[in-house]
Amino acid sequence: AQSVTQPDIHITVSEGASLELRCNYSYGATPYLFWYVQSPGQGLQLLLKYFSGDTLVQGIKGFEAEFKRSQSSFNLRKPSVHWSDAAEYFCAVGGPGTASKLTFGTGTRLQVTL
Amino acid sequence: GAVVSQHPSWVICKSGTSVKIECRSLDFQATTMFWYRQFPKQSLMLMATSNEGSKATYEQGVEKDKFLINHASLTLSTLTVTSAHPEDSSFYICSASRVYGQGNQPQHFGDGTRLSIL
Repeated sequence: AQSVTQPDIHITVSEGASLELRCNYSYGATPYLFWYVQSPGQGLQLLLKYFSGDTLVQGIKGFEAEFKRSQSSFNLRKPSVHWSDAAEYFCAVGGPGTASKLTFGTGTRLQVTL
Repeated sequence: GAVVSQHPSWVICKSGTSVKIECRSLDFQATTMFWYRQFPKQSLMLMATSNEGSKATYEQGVEKDKFLINHASLTLSTLTVTSAHPEDSSFYICSASRVYGQGNQPQHFGDGTRLSIL
């Protein structure tokens, strides 16, 4: 069975500081990995995805993530956080194909202090 | 591109009412759409996979007679909560993946529907 663990429920960083959100996954084959962001009362927006190739992937809004197979991790990073980045962040794992189901982590709530 | 629209965004209704939620892919075709449920401060739980022109596939524990799914076209899937009760109150989100050759495409999400049953 596939699963995703996001160890940090809540993280607070100062604006301008760097950010790393942790994600560990369990998947029986080659994983397809995603990071989504959700603002309160809104749907999810795709930040970035990893399907294959370069293990360091770039996303929107200055985010990047690194796939480390040996550690079963896909941590999300941003060098300098902006106040508008405050939101809930979800890591997800799935398989190939458009009909593949996603399994989400429990999410990490990011708070940004000014 | 890859915009998914959900309607309505918020609905409040009396217990026993049936409520229909629409999920549309506005600028792409989607043979598969997904319906999720999200409780406050929790993650998304997949309810069912909606397949165009065929029956939906429900996750274990989801009542298919309670949550009716219809995927009549490549751009529209509907979720009907039948005879809704207060325990059905939740945030419902749909997603769709673009049909694009044989490549893998991520799921794109609608903005969700907040359902409140009185």
